[in-house]
Amino acid sequence: GAVVSQHPSRVICKSGTSVKIECRSLDFQATTMFWYRQFPKQSLMLMATSNEGSKATYEQGVEKDKFLINHASLTLSTLTVTSAHPEDSSFYICSGHQKGTQYFGPGTRLLVL
Amino acid sequence: EDKVVQSPLSLVVHEGDTVTLNCSYEVTNFRSLLWYKQEKKAPTFLFMLTSSGIEKKSGRLSSILDKKELFSILNITATQTGDSAVYLCAVESNSNYQLIWGAGTKLIIKP
Repeated sequence: GAVVSQHPSRVICKSGTSVKIECRSLDFQATTMFWYRQFPKQSLMLMATSNEGSKATYEQGVEKDKFLINHASLTLSTLTVTSAHPEDSSFYICSGHQKGTQYFGPGTRLLVL
Repeated sequence: EDKVVQSPLSLVVHEGDTVTLNCSYEVTNFRSLLWYKQEKKAPTFLFMLTSSGIEKKSGRLSSILDKKELFSILNITATQTGDSAVYLCAVESNSNYQLIWGAGTKLIIKP
């Protein structure tokens, strides 16, 4: 089946630094990838839709200058959390879209100290 | 290799029927099992299960976990057309706190 990976799986950083999270579709090409945040026991919150070769579409309330998304190829999308603050600490999940089905990545836990 | 398998992959029933969705897993260092409902882009959280044999209920939905046989079921009684969705199962591992996702069950409820 289609597999999506994320790297790193966990990251701890200091407040004010930037963190890049990679999302890769390993065995399929994903023209569209989605980025989510999740808090414990809560639904996934869609942050943005990333289309290969074009600008990402951000959901209302998500700062595009803070959460930079780049979808440079059909198998890689990156999310950069710029000038991270403790309130950005969360579980970030990506998914790749192919033929009407979404395949979810394992997630990246970000802790900002 | 960790894996989560959901069955069936798709299911079509009539309104009022009861459905049972299955999720089996092979995950080292099991931490929890989660069920989600996905209608549009963002999966909605339904249940988190950590203990065997304790049923969790929310309205017409219920779920239970069997840690000995390594599976969980999600039951929906008196189904309605609004229950049509993809139901996702994911297992969280203690090893790295990441989620291993099942492929989902696409449920269609016909009026």
